[in-house]
Amino acid sequence: EVQVVESGGALVQPGGALRVSCAASGFSFSSYWMSWVRQAPGKGLEWVANIKQDGSEKYYVDSVKGRFTISRDNAKNSLELQMNSLRTEDTAVYHCVRVGTTVTPYYYSYYMDVWGKGTTVTVS
Amino acid sequence: EIVLTQSPGTLSLSPGERATLSCRASRSISANNLAWYQQKPGQAPRLLIYGASSRATDIPDRFSGSGSGTDFTLIISRLEPEDFAVYYCQQCGTSPPLTFGGGTKVEIK
Repeated sequence: EVQVVESGGALVQPGGALRVSCAASGFSFSSYWMSWVRQAPGKGLEWVANIKQDGSEKYYVDSVKGRFTISRDNAKNSLELQMNSLRTEDTAVYHCVRVGTTVTPYYYSYYMDVWGKGTTVTVS
Repeated sequence: EIVLTQSPGTLSLSPGERATLSCRASRSISANNLAWYQQKPGQAPRLLIYGASSRATDIPDRFSGSGSGTDFTLIISRLEPEDFAVYYCQQCGTSPPLTFGGGTKVEIK
């Protein structure tokens, strides 16, 4: 079964740090871009960060740049998000997501096709 | 920054009715990376449509997507009880912007 499972969510004080992790199984982890997407209580979805298959490219939403770091270990099929200088507005469920790709002779199509249930980070 | 505006915010319909959800981009985007997701309370989002019009695996054919440029639409042809949920559009990709719309809640009338 293709799945991703997050862990590591916790209650943290403002200014604190936390690392959340994601364990992937059932697919060739090293072949996919991976993402973190968060959802604050009662709010919509917000993309947080992306990482390329080999870790050579990483992108972040502006609000977390310089504070969050996405990383991966392809040997362990794992994805991590190191969160520093946490703010109350970072309170959310953090989802680990696989970025699927369809390749044609004319274009690439990207979409988020495998989602974990999420891990809850509360900054208070 | 691209903004995706979904309308209406809430759609009140009865089972069996047709639902039409709109996603409008603040500037033209590639349909190749326009996706739709369904989210039920307490659950993770589920991919419904990718490339603006391709159904994801195991998605029933009552779900259809269309559009190009700045205007995209998700249609649920006949609402089933399990379809009442929140729907999000997204401009996906590998580099920013990877923007989600604010969501449309489809509720039972």
